[in-house]
Amino acid sequence: EAGVTQFPSHSVIEKGQTVTLRCDPISGHDNLYWYRRVMGKEIKFLLHFVKESKQDESGMPNNRFLAERTGGTYSTLKVQPAELEDSGVYFCASSPSGGTQSTVRGQYFGPGTRLTVT
Amino acid sequence: AQSVTQLGSHVSVSEGALVLLRCNYSSSVPPYLFWYVQYPNQGLQLLLKYTSAATLVKGINGFEAEFKKSETSFHLTKPSAHMSDAAEYFCAVSDRSGYSTLTFGKGTMLLVSP
Repeated sequence: EAGVTQFPSHSVIEKGQTVTLRCDPISGHDNLYWYRRVMGKEIKFLLHFVKESKQDESGMPNNRFLAERTGGTYSTLKVQPAELEDSGVYFCASSPSGGTQSTVRGQYFGPGTRLTVT
Repeated sequence: AQSVTQLGSHVSVSEGALVLLRCNYSSSVPPYLFWYVQYPNQGLQLLLKYTSAATLVKGINGFEAEFKKSETSFHLTKPSAHMSDAAEYFCAVSDRSGYSTLTFGKGTMLLVSP
């Protein structure tokens, strides 16, 4: 079973430019999450998709961030225009739906995309 | 609101020594608790989880953690450290809704010396 993949692994852009990050979840996982870790800080939740619908986007920092999930498969996270404070590692995670307390399996994380805004 | 506190941004141990990584949580409802590990240039990997089935939870690579409600703690231990255990470890909490958004601690870097 292929894991969660993210592209690119690294991105260096200038302030004001646009960047699009992509996440391919594990096949069949309805839940897809985006998280971000700014250097020196904890990993923070950005948003959660269930299939193609946004279930919770309370962690999105501002309207410069736009997330989509086409057809309930892969997801993209666009930052436009990028600011210096957007630098960090962006993680994607996925998990299957349903299950009971005893079958909670946690989320499966991708390797992350390291974004540097200069 | 939930929160997680990991004591110590860095913990150093010698190979063969006991590993103890501390995690305290705050939650208004009974939580699910997780420990994740991140090896260099890799994604987060689930080590173990607590879902109330048993308070002592065993995970991969010889790690285990004990849920102590009275202390609101979920400390991670391993009896004997290996060089390959050097990594960053994250404690996380989620609620028991159907959609388990994770709240993470700041992480603890485990350094293992020969």
